[in-house]
Amino acid sequence: AAGVIQSPRHLIKEKRETATLKCYPIPRHDTVYWYQQGPGQDPQFLISFYEKMQSDKGSIPDRFSAQQFSDYHSELNMSSLELGDSALYFCASSLGGFPPTSWYEQYFGPGTRLTVT
Amino acid sequence: AQSVSQHNHHVILSEAASLELGCNYSYGGTVNLFWYVQYPGQHLQLLLKYFSGDPLVKGIKGFEAEFIKSKFSFNLRKPSVQWSDTAEYFCAVRAYSGGGADGLTFGKGTHLIIQP
Repeated sequence: AAGVIQSPRHLIKEKRETATLKCYPIPRHDTVYWYQQGPGQDPQFLISFYEKMQSDKGSIPDRFSAQQFSDYHSELNMSSLELGDSALYFCASSLGGFPPTSWYEQYFGPGTRLTVT
Repeated sequence: AQSVSQHNHHVILSEAASLELGCNYSYGGTVNLFWYVQYPGQHLQLLLKYFSGDPLVKGIKGFEAEFIKSKFSFNLRKPSVQWSDTAEYFCAVRAYSGGGADGLTFGKGTHLIIQP
């Protein structure tokens, strides 16, 4: 079965640079979520999109922005990178909308490992 | 805001031992509850979920969990663990806010090591 695709899988950037992470949801999934997992930490929710509109917002820094496109893929843009941004960034997808469809489980991608030097 | 607490950060068991991992959450409204597993170097995989109905839910790989609403708990259990269950286990809560795509709040995780 098709899974969530994330690219790139690994990314190395220097401080103050910018990075763009991409997420391609499972076919027919209209909702995308972004999470950040620091070393040895639990995943922290950043932001989500349903039908190309921002739906829920977590602990996303102002330096980060994201959007969902007409084909439902999403991009996370990160500017002025800091050493503390080094983490694994997961994208998840699901069917959205309102209950019960919004209660469907989130399927996680393999993640993009970002290293800031 | 909701929060999730996992009681054990590191658990070491022998094969065939029984497992119970504790999870408590704080949120007064409607919640969905999940357990995810993360094997070394891999992404999060859903073990089981609770939306409504029977509070005892069964998942993959012989895992089950019981939702006790009065205790705000969703403990994970497995009668007999295997070496291949060595992984990080995360409890997660989705608090229904009325939106269409609520993010999950995760616990800190439990690192489970099964010794042969």
